[in-house]
Amino acid sequence: EAQVTQNPRYLITVTGKKLTVTCSQNMNHEYMSWYRQDPGLGLRQIYYSMNVEVTDKGDVPEGYKVSRKEKRNFPLILESPSPNQTSLYFCASRPRTPTDTQYFGPGTRLTVL
Amino acid sequence: KNQVEQSPQSLIILEGKNCTLQCNYTVSPFSNLRWYKQDTGRGPVSLTIMTFSENTKSNGRYTATLDADTKQSSLHITASQLSDSASYICVVKRWDTGNQFYFGTGTSLTVIP
Repeated sequence: EAQVTQNPRYLITVTGKKLTVTCSQNMNHEYMSWYRQDPGLGLRQIYYSMNVEVTDKGDVPEGYKVSRKEKRNFPLILESPSPNQTSLYFCASRPRTPTDTQYFGPGTRLTVL
Repeated sequence: KNQVEQSPQSLIILEGKNCTLQCNYTVSPFSNLRWYKQDTGRGPVSLTIMTFSENTKSNGRYTATLDADTKQSSLHITASQLSDSASYICVVKRWDTGNQFYFGTGTSLTVIP
């Protein structure tokens, strides 16, 4: 089944404790993105990658890191999480085609205490 | 400034009734517009995508319209079902960007029996 998977789905952590949220897609898509979704603000792009070893900042990259060593994986790293990073995070992937339809993962709900 | 605004913010309708959701955008130059459906606690799923030359596109009981001159789109849901309860998100892509999408904040639809 074609899908985007994220792990973990739920995470509660404390300020300053490094964490990684994994994202994997099995559709051989070139583009991958990370978004955060907060009430009243909609989805905002954190980082995106157009191919292996190619990453770029989105609208809200501060406090986050990403890497794209393999085409299928695009982990999101929070080196020193803070309470304002409490949010719902989505990974998405899409092929390099004109339709640009993104396929979203199930989401990771992160709480930073 | 590139923006996407949706209305209403929330909507409650009776099962079997029709409804129309609105999306106004200022994103330019325009590439395409999508409507996504997001069930509570899940990732968004694409419903329709429309390019500059398309006025109407249907997907089952969902019909999207686009007026590129006035920069307005609507999503019409016919004969609503309880399973239509979700958030509907309008997303616009600019022509000259690789992977930047502009998201509306969504319309929360509740269908009651």
